[in-house]
Amino acid sequence: SQQGEEDPQALSIQEGENATMNCSYKTSINNLQWYRQNSGRGLVHLILIRSNEREKHSGRLRVTLDTSKKSSSLLITASRAADTASYFCATAYSSASKIIFGSGTRLSIRP
Amino acid sequence: GAGVSQSPSNKVTEKGKDVELRCDPISGHTALYWYRQSLGQGLEFLIYFQGNSAPDKSGLPSDRFSAERTGGSVSTLTIQRTQQEDSAVYLCASSLPRSGKYEQYFGPGTRLTVT
Repeated sequence: SQQGEEDPQALSIQEGENATMNCSYKTSINNLQWYRQNSGRGLVHLILIRSNEREKHSGRLRVTLDTSKKSSSLLITASRAADTASYFCATAYSSASKIIFGSGTRLSIRP
Repeated sequence: GAGVSQSPSNKVTEKGKDVELRCDPISGHTALYWYRQSLGQGLEFLIYFQGNSAPDKSGLPSDRFSAERTGGSVSTLTIQRTQQEDSAVYLCASSLPRSGKYEQYFGPGTRLTVT
């Protein structure tokens, strides 16, 4: 079974609004990553947060991590049409272990 | 530099035939992953190679699936006696975790269709 589960499964918002996606996982982790996928092909790495970090920013992206709740959130501010994609969280329980992906959130930005 | 490449980009095969999918990781990347993604679904982990360590094969769905990585570089995923449920996009990714670079770089995938 997958390690991470994203919530919601699908999200549709107006351009310019903020989008928030959540990820829950089951076991202790070393790091958590967020990826974006367009058109069902290769994924692109967005941001990584380590288990000893609580928040990271990258441009319009903000990621939080709550290890006590085993959850993370990805916030995209001032959404654009180009942000339409599927977003996945991925977790690794050690620095050398395999990375497990969640089921993803499909984000649609309405013009 | 060059990214992760995969070949073929599309493969149509008849049920019962064997197929080989190829992945060329980024040069120097020690970790290589294979995932499978069915339409509209998440990524299903298949197998993970890390340097000279024994591969983690825990995600392979049956003994019809196997993979090898030669010389710590190119990897081949082989599916024997293909079934219709094997139809999916097969994604390969590489990374350099021992240098603290955990982010994965993905190839464009191979879309496999079993008829």
